[in-house]
Amino acid sequence: KQEVTQIPAALSVPEGENLVLNCSFTDSAIYNLQWFRQDPGKGLTSLLLIQSSQREQTSGRLNASLDKSSGRSTLYIAASQPGDSATYLCAVGEYGNKLVFGAGTILRVKS
Amino acid sequence: NAGVTQTPKFRILKIGQSMTLQCTQDMNHNYMYWYRQDPGMGLKLIYYSVGAGITDKGEVPNGYNVSRSTTEDFPLRLELAAPSQTSVYFCASSYVGWETQYFGPGTRLLVL
Repeated sequence: KQEVTQIPAALSVPEGENLVLNCSFTDSAIYNLQWFRQDPGKGLTSLLLIQSSQREQTSGRLNASLDKSSGRSTLYIAASQPGDSATYLCAVGEYGNKLVFGAGTILRVKS
Repeated sequence: NAGVTQTPKFRILKIGQSMTLQCTQDMNHNYMYWYRQDPGMGLKLIYYSVGAGITDKGEVPNGYNVSRSTTEDFPLRLELAAPSQTSVYFCASSYVGWETQYFGPGTRLLVL
């Protein structure tokens, strides 16, 4: 059974700092991996999707990497801003695009 | 283009009552999903559908039922509500099985 772990559970950083969120998974037979952002009381917003054949994806200040063999993904956020404060969820896609989620990392960026 | 919409936003149920959570998408997506999110936890898949008339169980299907009679709608039925079903329920959709999933705003359900 696939298990997804996110470290750290919570992170507080000053504005402007670069940061890395970590995601690990136990079964490397995945179709893709997605990173989502969730604001309090809201739904999920997809940030980046990496197909299993890809190594990384970039969108603006965000960069996500995928290492299937080691069962790891990282989300790099450059020059963090208070508006980046949210919960970040990692999810691995299995057959049928069934997503298995981690518990998330709560990020707070202090101004 | 409203994306994925869910109703109601919030509901309180008594133990043993039943209800249907509605989900509609206007993106002509084939795949639709229902997840639940408990406090401090990731989302868990309840049911999913790869097209009209086709549904399958996810990780936590007990106590729920679904149907998919149209491409747009994917309602989730709770029969005999129990306190363990207190959660936030999210509906999602994607065009095909390897593309981005788009989520609705969620339905917060409290069973007392």
